[in-house]
Amino acid sequence: GAGVSQSPSNKVTEKGKDVELRCDPISGHTALYWYRQSLGQGLEFLIYFQGNSAPDKSGLPSDRFSAERTGGSVSTLTIQRTQQEDSAVYLCASSFLGQTSTDTQYFGPGTRLTVL
Amino acid sequence: AQSVSQHNHHVILSEAASLELGCNYSYGGTVNLFWYVQYPGQHLQLLLKYFSGDPLVKGIKGFEAEFIKSKFSFNLRKPSVQWSDTAEYFCAAGMDSSYKLIFGSGTRLLVRP
Repeated sequence: GAGVSQSPSNKVTEKGKDVELRCDPISGHTALYWYRQSLGQGLEFLIYFQGNSAPDKSGLPSDRFSAERTGGSVSTLTIQRTQQEDSAVYLCASSFLGQTSTDTQYFGPGTRLTVL
Repeated sequence: AQSVSQHNHHVILSEAASLELGCNYSYGGTVNLFWYVQYPGQHLQLLLKYFSGDPLVKGIKGFEAEFIKSKFSFNLRKPSVQWSDTAEYFCAAGMDSSYKLIFGSGTRLLVRP
């Protein structure tokens, strides 16, 4: 079946603009995760959804970052007033239940964000 | 703080050489351990995982990893690498019953033909 998809694959924006990144998880997966990978760094956890609720937003780096999930499916990560340090690859993952890490997370191809 | 360390950032090997990539985690409780691989232009994908039981786990494409609790380590090994193993490898850990994965910074492996 189809895997996790993300759009756009690349996004170049100017400092101060808002951006929206989209994630389509695997159908039937209740858990959805956003991670960020900065140059030379590992993946940094941003936010976790269980259904449409986000019980863990602990990784969001500032209040300029927000995310929502609708219909237990598509999720959008929004970054307001982008800064150059927001440049990174943003990865989305989904898993069937997501209650523990024993539930395999399947990753999308990522969105490469460049803030000029 | 909970963390995962990969000490080899770049590794260059010739085909048929043996591979060992180091991974250490810092946490005293129960951990679930993973190795993910990202081939050029492809998604991050699961290579192997360890939850409990036999500390030597085998994954896809001839890879294996050994969990050594006393050393807080989960090193990845392959007896003979191929050019197609060129990729970036990430070690990750899930602590206790958390859903959250903590990733290492990755190791870029280049296998010369």
